[in-house]
Amino acid sequence: DTEVTQTPKHLVMGMTNKKSLKCEQHMGHRAMYWYKQKAKKPPELMFVYSYEKLSINESVPSRFSPECPNSSLLNLHLHALQPEDSALYLCASSQVGRLYEQYFGPGTRLTVT
Amino acid sequence: GESVGLHLPTLSVQEGDNSIINCAYSNSASDYFIWYKQESGKGPQFIIDIRSNMDKRQGQRVTVLLNKTVKHLSLQIAATQPGDSAVYFCAENIRTGGFKTIFGAGTRLFVKA
Repeated sequence: DTEVTQTPKHLVMGMTNKKSLKCEQHMGHRAMYWYKQKAKKPPELMFVYSYEKLSINESVPSRFSPECPNSSLLNLHLHALQPEDSALYLCASSQVGRLYEQYFGPGTRLTVT
Repeated sequence: GESVGLHLPTLSVQEGDNSIINCAYSNSASDYFIWYKQESGKGPQFIIDIRSNMDKRQGQRVTVLLNKTVKHLSLQIAATQPGDSAVYFCAENIRTGGFKTIFGAGTRLFVKA
């Protein structure tokens, strides 16, 4: 199984809502990532987890809160988002020894109204 | 600074021809350079990587060339097929506290039948 799954595929939320994005992989990868991608732009790294511990936070606003409850799951909790946070949120995973070879999910298309 | 850029935003090639996608990078601390392919509605897909101490690496129908003297990376696709139509991102893996991947701006490849 070389698939990274993400739910939901689409999400529309108001600025006062709280929602969560979910990501799952069963490849035994112990590094997991969240990226943000705006239209016609490259993915931008947000967070990196290694062995279920947060190793990199790219100065992401606190309204984004990541969580890695176990080695297969990665969540991104969203609260009080702004319209400019509307984007495609991509989850990825990799082997710790091959951090450059990342497997991406299809993403969650988020719209903040 | 940390940046990876591309020379051309779009590239149009005839089916069966070879494609060359170029990329310039500025960070000298990268240990790996990577090419990803992103089709519409999908997450990026790993194509090939090259370690910073190499200058050429070949895969199936693809070749990556690295010129560290001029900080230039290229992806060559042989016998381009309609299924190769996508956006191609170069990326670099940088050791900075932890490892992180920085994506370049992307080149859209159109394959004409």
